[in-house]
Amino acid sequence: DTEVTQTPKHLVMGMTNKKSLKCEQHMGHRAMYWYKQKAKKPPELMFVYSYEKLSINESVPSRFSPECPNSSLLNLHLHALQPEDSALYLCASSQDLLPPYNEQFFGPGTRLTVL
Amino acid sequence: AQSVTQLDSHVSVSEGTPVLLRCNYSSSYSPSLFWYVQHPNKGLQLLLKYTSAATLVKGINGFEAEFKKSETSFHLTKPSAHMSDAAEYFCVVSDRGFGNEKLTFGTGTRLTIIP
Repeated sequence: DTEVTQTPKHLVMGMTNKKSLKCEQHMGHRAMYWYKQKAKKPPELMFVYSYEKLSINESVPSRFSPECPNSSLLNLHLHALQPEDSALYLCASSQDLLPPYNEQFFGPGTRLTVL
Repeated sequence: AQSVTQLDSHVSVSEGTPVLLRCNYSSSYSPSLFWYVQHPNKGLQLLLKYTSAATLVKGINGFEAEFKKSETSFHLTKPSAHMSDAAEYFCVVSDRGFGNEKLTFGTGTRLTIIP
């Protein structure tokens, strides 16, 4: 299995809702990532987990809360989002954090719309 | 510090003609370099990667890239464009060494194929 899966594919939520995005990989990778991508822009790194511990937080607002329950799963909990948080949220994984093992495999993304 | 510049934000070619997408990088150490492709509303797919082995790297779907250290370039080419190549392409650099866990993305090149 060489893919990263993400659910749901699409999500519409109000500003007072609580929702979660899920990401899963079964490649034995020990690093997992969350990115946010706005239209016509490259992905922006949000969080990095290495060996199930948070390694990098790119000063993301606290309304985004990551969780890594085990080495295969990565969640992103959403609460009190703003309309400007609407974007494509991408999950990725890599064998390890450091080069040359940090080739990242991306999931298809969750298209999030905040009303 | 690492950085990457994609010299063209938009490239248009006719079907069956060669494709050239240009990328220049800056790196303090020996870099790993990647090209990713993103079709509309999809995740990123790895086309090819350079990690200090052969300087001419062959990827999927007939794409290849040549690492030229003297020119700090990693241009992506394909001999004959196909309609299915229409997408956004990102050049990505990763320095080696501790503290360089993040990938640096270029701003992207949109490839349009003219029938």
